[in-house]
Amino acid sequence: DGGITQSPKYLFRKEGQNVTLSCEQNLNHDAMYWYRQDPGQGLRLIYYSQIVNDFQKGDIAEGYSVSREKKESFPLTVTSAQKNPTAFYLCASSGEQTPSTDTQYFGPGTRLTVL
Amino acid sequence: AQSVAQPEDQVNVAEGNPLTVKCTYSVSGNPYLFWYVQYPNRGLQFLLKYITGDNLVKGSYGFEAEFNKSQTSFHLKKPSALVSDSALYFCAVRENAGNNRKLIWGLGTSLAVNP
Repeated sequence: DGGITQSPKYLFRKEGQNVTLSCEQNLNHDAMYWYRQDPGQGLRLIYYSQIVNDFQKGDIAEGYSVSREKKESFPLTVTSAQKNPTAFYLCASSGEQTPSTDTQYFGPGTRLTVL
Repeated sequence: AQSVAQPEDQVNVAEGNPLTVKCTYSVSGNPYLFWYVQYPNRGLQFLLKYITGDNLVKGSYGFEAEFNKSQTSFHLKKPSALVSDSALYFCAVRENAGNNRKLIWGLGTSLAVNP
């Protein structure tokens, strides 16, 4: 987990509210990722960013938004349009020079519960 | 289509016995293969990766994995299991294509090491 921080660890929100999850890294990595983890479904990619001010949709981007204004930060907003937002959210970053050898390193995760 | 399969949802092994967690993949071209471990309510920790070269890859905490191209497999192994190895294990693959950094994930295998 070292070098990548996610806050808060647990987050509770009422249905219909937008919520922003924080992800910060001090590894000088160019690329950052957001995943959602649900029991029995493994990891599903929400959004990823390979450079500042650029990002791409992953497999399940609907109902989510991101920004990448700084290299160190990649916040994820879970909007009210996300139909089932309760999940464990994982942020990762990677930064090796050769994309083929690039290894993703993960933060500790944020567990979001929508009441 | 690219895919990763972890055919066993759960593996049980006695402490001190060898353990194997299975992974098979389907990608076009040469694959880059990864193993991660996740402890409860934590982020994923990188264990090891295969890029090229020796088919037997050694990683963290005494784990190793064997790449078998003919069987399209990358099984994770450890000669002597510890109770503390009990966790969720994920296999992932990246296709060797251009600037692609995205990983394709298996659904995970829960390892239980019994004292």
